[in-house]
Amino acid sequence: QKEVEQNSGPLSVPEGAIASLNCTYSDRGSQSFFWYRQYSGKSPELIMSIYSNGDKEDGRFTAQLNKASQYVSLLIRDSQPSDSATYLCAVMGSSNSGYALNFGKGTSLLVTP
Amino acid sequence: GAVVSQHPSWVICKSGTSVKIECRSLDFQATTMFWYRQFPKQSLMLMATSNEGSKATYEQGVEKDKFLINHASLTLSTLTVTSAHPEDSSFYICSARDLGGVVNIQYFGAGTRLSVL
Repeated sequence: QKEVEQNSGPLSVPEGAIASLNCTYSDRGSQSFFWYRQYSGKSPELIMSIYSNGDKEDGRFTAQLNKASQYVSLLIRDSQPSDSATYLCAVMGSSNSGYALNFGKGTSLLVTP
Repeated sequence: GAVVSQHPSWVICKSGTSVKIECRSLDFQATTMFWYRQFPKQSLMLMATSNEGSKATYEQGVEKDKFLINHASLTLSTLTVTSAHPEDSSFYICSARDLGGVVNIQYFGAGTRLSVL
């Protein structure tokens, strides 16, 4: 069973602070990693994708990948109340699985004004 | 970005009836689409991988005779929940890979909330 683990939270941060979300995965052969944001009752929305070790920045978001440690993280700078949502870590399977995504259970983030 | 349209967004049906959900890629072609199910407070669980022109691949524990998948064209996949029961009530979400774009990216439909009475 290929697993993706996330702390369910809730993670509460004050407005303007940095939110740090973490994810570990079990399949050492995984190559593609994604962070999705999901508001209650809505479909997931892609925030970041990362494929290589290191950091990838896009606006207020930074994804970090460490394949040796099988660890992916997402940093949200200058957190806003509108960032309050569930953040899903997803790991893409191999071609044998048709490149399906394996999701973690998600971390609930609450940004307080 | 690429758009995936999913209909209906909400359906309420009586136990024993069948419900069809459509997933369309509006501005790109997708040989592969995915169907996920999400129960309250749970993550998305892959149900099946839909392949254009061939049979779908179902995940362990998903009944293929209950969840019928048809992927007849490069832009349309359908999921039919046959003889639905209350335990099938869930949020069903499809996604598609854009062949002409960044192939690792999946685009999600808006989801279908199914309530079986």
